[in-house]
Amino acid sequence: SQQGEEDPQALSIQEGENATMNCSYKTSINNLQWYRQNSGRGLVHLILIRSNEREKHSGRLRVTLDTSKKSSSLLITASRAADTASYFCATDRGDYKLSFGAGTTVTVRA
Amino acid sequence: DGGITQSPKYLFRKEGQNVTLSCEQNLNHDAMYWYRQDPGQGLRLIYYSQIVNDFQKGDIAEGYSVSREKKESFPLTVTSAQKNPTAFYLCASSIEGTSGTRQFFGPGTRLTVL
Repeated sequence: SQQGEEDPQALSIQEGENATMNCSYKTSINNLQWYRQNSGRGLVHLILIRSNEREKHSGRLRVTLDTSKKSSSLLITASRAADTASYFCATDRGDYKLSFGAGTTVTVRA
Repeated sequence: DGGITQSPKYLFRKEGQNVTLSCEQNLNHDAMYWYRQDPGQGLRLIYYSQIVNDFQKGDIAEGYSVSREKKESFPLTVTSAQKNPTAFYLCASSIEGTSGTRQFFGPGTRLTVL
């Protein structure tokens, strides 16, 4: 069953602007992961944040996790056309499986 | 190059036919997964395998079957019992590390039932 839900469903921004998307989940987790999917392709792992971490950075990506609110956010700074993709959060409950949300589709306009 | 390959990229099937999707990995990962993705939706887990000769049903296993005879291979058969098989199918693998189950994905197979 899908545990994560992303918000918004779609986002359109100008190149150079920041993009923020949110993920909410229902049960306790071991970690939360974000993936990117370009149209018609497989998913690529972006970043993983453990349940005892509050914030993590990787290049232009910043992820936060609030376990009390069961929510996470992904911020992409200084967006580029190449960031156009769908972004999915996935929760890991420590049972070898991930539960994916429906994704946020990001369009970066030149 | 290490990675996951899926074949074919596009597959067309007539109603009532079984079809098998291939997934191979040379990452030496123990765990492998099959997901289904419908337009505008997230991934739903069909089957997963943590070790050779063992596999478990995911959330939507009805109408699908798998085998795991080799560590590198995890083929998925879409049977005629699957009522709505047209979808994008993704295979993934993972190794349980200290930081959790991070998955690596293949490029996907798009199945269309005619």
